[in-house]
Amino acid sequence: QKEVEQDPGPLSVPEGAIVSLNCTYSNSAFQYFMWYRQYSRKGPELLMYTYSSGNKEDGRFTAQVDKSSKYISLFIRDSQPSDSATYLCACMEYGNKLVFGAGTILRVKS
Amino acid sequence: DAGVTQSPTHLIKTRGQQVTLRCSPISGHKSVSWYQQVLGQGPQFIFQYYEKEERGRGNFPDRFSARQFPNYSSELNVNALLLGDSALYLCASSLPQSTEAFFGQGTRLTVV
Repeated sequence: QKEVEQDPGPLSVPEGAIVSLNCTYSNSAFQYFMWYRQYSRKGPELLMYTYSSGNKEDGRFTAQVDKSSKYISLFIRDSQPSDSATYLCACMEYGNKLVFGAGTILRVKS
Repeated sequence: DAGVTQSPTHLIKTRGQQVTLRCSPISGHKSVSWYQQVLGQGPQFIFQYYEKEERGRGNFPDRFSARQFPNYSSELNVNALLLGDSALYLCASSLPQSTEAFFGQGTRLTVV
């Protein structure tokens, strides 16, 4: 079993839709949770970063962590065609390596 | 401000050859990590260096090695290349005491 599980999609939505991306993890020692966006043939770009359980909002993006169920989510409001990319969740113990999910391919249709 | 820079951007090598990939971190970042991303998968951790010392190593064979220089730049070396080493190799840097990692554009290695 992988430490971080993520549905690879693809997920196709119309422009303006609310997008929900999710991951589950198995390692209780993970304390930090990130979401990266990766465009084709580019490096991952850090979108959101949260510590422990709770919500964090940044513009159209909301990251949610539920440590009791080992579940992390990213919500995108008013999705745009420019949001079309692969979204990677990542988990980390302090000072340690990032453990990534497989990535979810998102396509926003105009 | 310059982000993490990696060179070369693309590389084609033959099986059995050796390759060296280079990374320059963001100014002020002293920690550098290397990841391998195979097509269709998330990045996998290879090495972490901090202040020129290896701080972590992923589940990769001894053919993979790395080092960090006094200016905090880093090199990843892969010997005896296999077809399965074909991937996007990513370098990430972070500030001391920070868990936020910033990635470069990667080096796409193709082994033929």
